[in-house]
Amino acid sequence: GENVEQHPSTLSVQEGDSAVIKCTYSDSASNYFPWYKQELGKRPQLIIDIRSNVGEKKDQRIAVTLNKTAKHFSLHITETQPEDSAVYFCAPRDQAGTALIFGKGTTLSVSS
Amino acid sequence: DAGVIQSPRHEVTEMGQEVTLRCKPISGHNSLFWYRQTMMRGLELLIYFNNNVPIDDSGMPEDRFSAKMPNASFSTLKIQPSEPRDSAVYFCASRVTEQETQYFGPGTRLLVL
Repeated sequence: GENVEQHPSTLSVQEGDSAVIKCTYSDSASNYFPWYKQELGKRPQLIIDIRSNVGEKKDQRIAVTLNKTAKHFSLHITETQPEDSAVYFCAPRDQAGTALIFGKGTTLSVSS
Repeated sequence: DAGVIQSPRHEVTEMGQEVTLRCKPISGHNSLFWYRQTMMRGLELLIYFNNNVPIDDSGMPEDRFSAKMPNASFSTLKIQPSEPRDSAVYFCASRVTEQETQYFGPGTRLLVL
């Protein structure tokens, strides 16, 4: 089965700084790479995803980059704001019919 | 669109009691997932269904846990008997099988005393 690891487990930044979270996975058949954000007491919500035929995707202040050879993908948040404080999960998947397997999460704290 | 609906939102019960959690997926979604979230173990996949059929239940922790999906619009997760270590937030999620985006319900916070 898929083995998913996230680093770092916690990340503290000042407002306006950039944050990068890395996710490594074991299954070379993985072809879908989403990132979820979970605020305290809320449900996980998809914030950005990428498919294996694309190396990078951006959506305003967030971006995801993929390195299939090295089997890792990263979440990049620029110009961080206090409302970016949350737990972020990566959840790579190998095919459309299977379930997402979540990493342990990264707690991001943005201080103003 | 009402999103994924879960009930109850909160449940407090005593050890040994039966607990039933309910989920209504988004209309038209044919894949349904049950996850459990704790501080120690993170977000764990318990079981998932495609077209109402259980596909993988390897994440179900023990025989005390069982899940059913009698039709496309309803699923239950039952714990019998419950134990304090079952205390967690249980999430249901759904998606269209051929699409990637998976949507979570608000979760059920279970506390077993």
